[in-house]
Amino acid sequence: GENVEQHPSTLSVQEGDSAVIKCTYSDSASNYFPWYKQELGKRPQLIIDIRSNVGEKKDQRIAVTLNKTAKHFSLHITETQPEDSAVYFCAASREAAGNKLTFGGGTRVLVKP
Amino acid sequence: DGGITQSPKYLFRKEGQNVTLSCEQNLNHDAMYWYRQDPGQGLRLIYYSQIVNDFQKGDIAEGYSVSREKKESFPLTVTSAQKNPTAFYLCASSIVGGVGTEAFFGQGTRLTVV
Repeated sequence: GENVEQHPSTLSVQEGDSAVIKCTYSDSASNYFPWYKQELGKRPQLIIDIRSNVGEKKDQRIAVTLNKTAKHFSLHITETQPEDSAVYFCAASREAAGNKLTFGGGTRVLVKP
Repeated sequence: DGGITQSPKYLFRKEGQNVTLSCEQNLNHDAMYWYRQDPGQGLRLIYYSQIVNDFQKGDIAEGYSVSREKKESFPLTVTSAQKNPTAFYLCASSIVGGVGTEAFFGQGTRLTVV
């Protein structure tokens, strides 16, 4: 089955700096890569996703890049703000497996004012 | 107000007891999922269902059981066979079909063995 590795497990950045989280996946047939944000005590919520037919996607201060050859994808947050502090999860799925998501271990991001 | 609802928010179980966690959605989604979240770890798939009266085991199904008698409901039973049930349980739902679909999560149930 699919295996998703996520690094780093914790990330501390100064407000205004950029944050980068990286994930690798094992199943070359995976074709959908979402990122979820989970604030303390709350449910995970989708913040951005990318499908395997594109290499990059951007939405305001967040962007995701995908390298299918190397089987890795990354989340980039620019101009970080205190409200970006949360746990971020990457995930992967493939249509043939019913789109069930396999998650990485999560990254706890702390943005220091 | 559309969404996915889990109950209860907190649940305490004695050793040897079975407990059932509720998950209901009114999003008209065909697929529903149960994930387990342990401190500092990612979400691990317990069971999933893509259609009524059908479900499949995920990566950590041992000690758990589910049913899918209605499209809106996907209850999870944590049996006494689950040796370490203390965790945060998340239910999710999504549409079926196409390349990748957003999973919508409930607010979770925190289960503690006492």
